[in-house]
Amino acid sequence: QQPVQSPQAVILREGEDAVINCSSSKALYSVHWYRQKHGEAPVFLMILLKGGEQKGHEKISASFNEKKQQSSLYLTASQLSYSGTYFCGTVSGSARQLTFGSGTQLTVLP
Amino acid sequence: DTGVSQDPRHKITKRGQNVTFRCDPISEHNRLYWYRQTLGQGPEFLTYFQNEAQLEKSRLLSDRFSAERPKGSFSTLEIQRTEQGDSAMYLCASSLSSGTGPFRGSPLHFGNGTRLTVT
Repeated sequence: QQPVQSPQAVILREGEDAVINCSSSKALYSVHWYRQKHGEAPVFLMILLKGGEQKGHEKISASFNEKKQQSSLYLTASQLSYSGTYFCGTVSGSARQLTFGSGTQLTVLP
Repeated sequence: DTGVSQDPRHKITKRGQNVTFRCDPISEHNRLYWYRQTLGQGPEFLTYFQNEAQLEKSRLLSDRFSAERPKGSFSTLEIQRTEQGDSAMYLCASSLSSGTGPFRGSPLHFGNGTRLTVT
């Protein structure tokens, strides 16, 4: 089942902060975050694993609430380059693939 | 690391024709995935290979779709008797994972995709 992302879209000014949420009805093993710019491939940002391990870029922060099956991606002091569509991908049970949400479109204005 | 490459970048075909796409993963990666993405949606899983073995296929995938990964290197995705509903971006991704078990903590590296338009 597809995870649910919120908000669907957000517009902010350079330097402002944003939070993107991802929730699932299934017990999750891991949550993955990707960013996709228009016409380009999705690019890996971060993995959050059950148990607290995280892998990803130093400038990106995220949380994973294992009890609530929710994850949040925190974008602080946003830059123009942060613009794009952010997808969370979830892994539950014995799945061998990521199931992606429908995305959050982030627009950073100067 | 030369990245994942896909060919062609764009394909326009008439309904009923067959099309084939190619994906060259990162050379040391043992897992290869095909996803499909339509406008405003996230990537939707189609199928997955561990080396040359196709280990999983989406239940939603029509029998008109077939994929191969001979010798565990490049992969091809063929769509037979295309329909207008097949129009989408077809993304290939690869990863390096130990064993054949569940997907865990390995990032997916995506190619730029093949955009299919069926007229």
